Amino acid sequence: DIQMTQSPSSLSASVGDRVTITCRASQSISNYLNWYQQKPGKAPILLIYTGSTLQSGVPSRFSGSGSGTDFTLTISTLQPADFATYYCQQSHSPPLTFGGGTKVEIK
Amino acid sequence: QVQLVESGGGVVQPGRSLRLSCAASGFTFSSYGMHWVRQAPGKGLQWVALISYDGSKIYYADSVKGRFTISRDNSKNTLYLQMNSLRADDTAVYYCARDFRGDNWFDPWGQGTLVTVSS
Repeated sequence: DIQMTQSPSSLSASVGDRVTITCRASQSISNYLNWYQQKPGKAPILLIYTGSTLQSGVPSRFSGSGSGTDFTLTISTLQPADFATYYCQQSHSPPLTFGGGTKVEIK
Repeated sequence: QVQLVESGGGVVQPGRSLRLSCAASGFTFSSYGMHWVRQAPGKGLQWVALISYDGSKIYYADSVKGRFTISRDNSKNTLYLQMNSLRADDTAVYYCARDFRGDNWFDPWGQGTLVTVSS
């Protein structure tokens, strides 16, 4: 199975900050990497798929990059609505697996 | 608009069974693969199962293989998860999700249904 490791597991940031979250796969997954945002008590929503493609309706301050085993999610200018937990997910092959999540909190 | 609504959750004793349903609307259900994903209280996301658009391909997480069965009824626009031999560590919110483009990512998700396995 492909293991997904996210870091950090949590971070504190201020509105306006640039935030970067990393995700590492235990083997190469090409660009089969997706990012989700989840707020408390809500279902996750898809932000980015295939490593860097922004899902329709997602603000352009979100961006993704990487290929192979190392990926990043960047929020260019953190907004109040962005305080949430973020998960990466590999879609290379079943069993599909998620990273452990990164909780973005208000500093 | 695309909508997925789960039902069937509740409290069940260890070893018993439960069937979850996911009613789909707003899209051509029979053209999309579907997934179940779960989240234990305070924990991260765990993929559970995938069924292809026509039911011909099915995959499971090792943790549920042999106990859970994913199925679908395209005439009713409904996805199912039959859960047998339930254990305490199956306690979670269960989400159904559409396979966005046949490439194993999830969009959108339902609101989830809570399954609690407890004596």
